[in-house]
Amino acid sequence: DQQVKQNSPSLSVQEGRISILNCDYTNSMFDYFLWYKKYPAEGPTFLISISSIKDKNEDGRFTVFLNKSAKHLSLHIVPSQPGDSAVYFCAAKENPSIQGAQKLVFGQGTRLTINP
Amino acid sequence: DGGITQSPKYLFRKEGQNVTLSCEQNLNHDAMYWYRQDPGQGLRLIYYSQIVNDFQKGDIAEGYSVSREKKESFPLTVTSAQKNPTAFYLCASSIDSGINTEAFFGQGTRLTVV
Repeated sequence: DQQVKQNSPSLSVQEGRISILNCDYTNSMFDYFLWYKKYPAEGPTFLISISSIKDKNEDGRFTVFLNKSAKHLSLHIVPSQPGDSAVYFCAAKENPSIQGAQKLVFGQGTRLTINP
Repeated sequence: DGGITQSPKYLFRKEGQNVTLSCEQNLNHDAMYWYRQDPGQGLRLIYYSQIVNDFQKGDIAEGYSVSREKKESFPLTVTSAQKNPTAFYLCASSIDSGINTEAFFGQGTRLTVV
């Protein structure tokens, strides 16, 4: 049962344009969401996160939007740069007050390619 | 520099042999995790530990074992019972699994069983 889903395996965007990566989740107990970026043969690096009490969080060129009613979040990158080409993973975590619920659950990833 | 170190980066083993992957962190983090990545799939949780001498099974724990005798170390043993051990293994740590914070990852170990 895939609790976090990234339905687009790949996305290709022109340099300078906006990249939008999507993520859906099914577990209504998730209340903290993260995006990671991963290059081949390396560990993921943290990009940005959002708590369920917010609907938007911005950090430079990266903005994450959360729609709790739709159980959907998205990562916007603008403007997109060639160095942004990587696999992006969405991850989610349940409320830490729930015992034994502290694990991070990841989506399948979306491979983003920025074309010059 | 503080960080999380996995070794070795590449590991080859014969089928039927147990193998142990190392993960060490000097970030003073309480929580540590092991994930596995297969082509076209996301990161799947094998085991995690919230505190020394305690660990819980993740979603795909069968064929794996861990120990957490020290805060800094969380080795993963891939046993001969694991049916498809060839994969990219990632270790991570976080300050405290009980609060909302990001996990930091090591560089990974690619295990190939021949």
